[in-house]
Amino acid sequence: AQSVTQPDIHITVSEGASLELRCNYSYGATPYLFWYVQSPGQGLQLLLKYFSGDTLVQGIKGFEAEFKRSQSSFNLRKPSVHWSDAAEYFCAVGATRDDKIIFGKGTRLHILP
Amino acid sequence: DTGVSQNPRHKITKRGQNVTFRCDPISEHNRLYWYRQTLGQGPEFLTYFQNEAQLEKSRLLSDRFSAERPKGSFSTLEIQRTEQGDSAMYLCASSQNRGGAREKLFFGSGTQLSVL
Repeated sequence: AQSVTQPDIHITVSEGASLELRCNYSYGATPYLFWYVQSPGQGLQLLLKYFSGDTLVQGIKGFEAEFKRSQSSFNLRKPSVHWSDAAEYFCAVGATRDDKIIFGKGTRLHILP
Repeated sequence: DTGVSQNPRHKITKRGQNVTFRCDPISEHNRLYWYRQTLGQGPEFLTYFQNEAQLEKSRLLSDRFSAERPKGSFSTLEIQRTEQGDSAMYLCASSQNRGGAREKLFFGSGTQLSVL
């Protein structure tokens, strides 16, 4: 069965600094990979997704993620964070033929002014 | 597109009581998912539907939990004989899956359950 691990529970960065959130997945084949964001009092919103093709995917709000099969990783990046990026970020994985989507435990991002 | 709607937003109940939540997905979406989220954790998969068919139910889900989607539109999640450990945010999501492609999940705002 597929699973996903987010090693960092909390990440703190200064506004304007670059960001990388880590995600490692476990699945035998090429999975479907997602990053979702949950702001306080808001529902989960899709940032980006990877199904196949170019391993560097662009998402909304200036985020991007890179799929690395050799490392079983799908890390989320942003070159310059804004205070409004403070939120909880979830990596998620779906198997190719099984539509169940499994979420990681999340990484809470804190932004220093 | 009015989004995914969940009712009620909050539910407070006493241990041992039954509760039922409702989810209205985006109208053209054929997939509907239920997740549970506790503080500091990611959404935990409970079950999902393709139209009215329940495709999978999590093995973590006890027999006290049941979900239906009788006409392939709205869905209900019932918890019988609630326990304090059932306290959580219950999230509903829907999606439109076309062929082999995976479309994104649209989440509702959730129902916050508190069992006293």
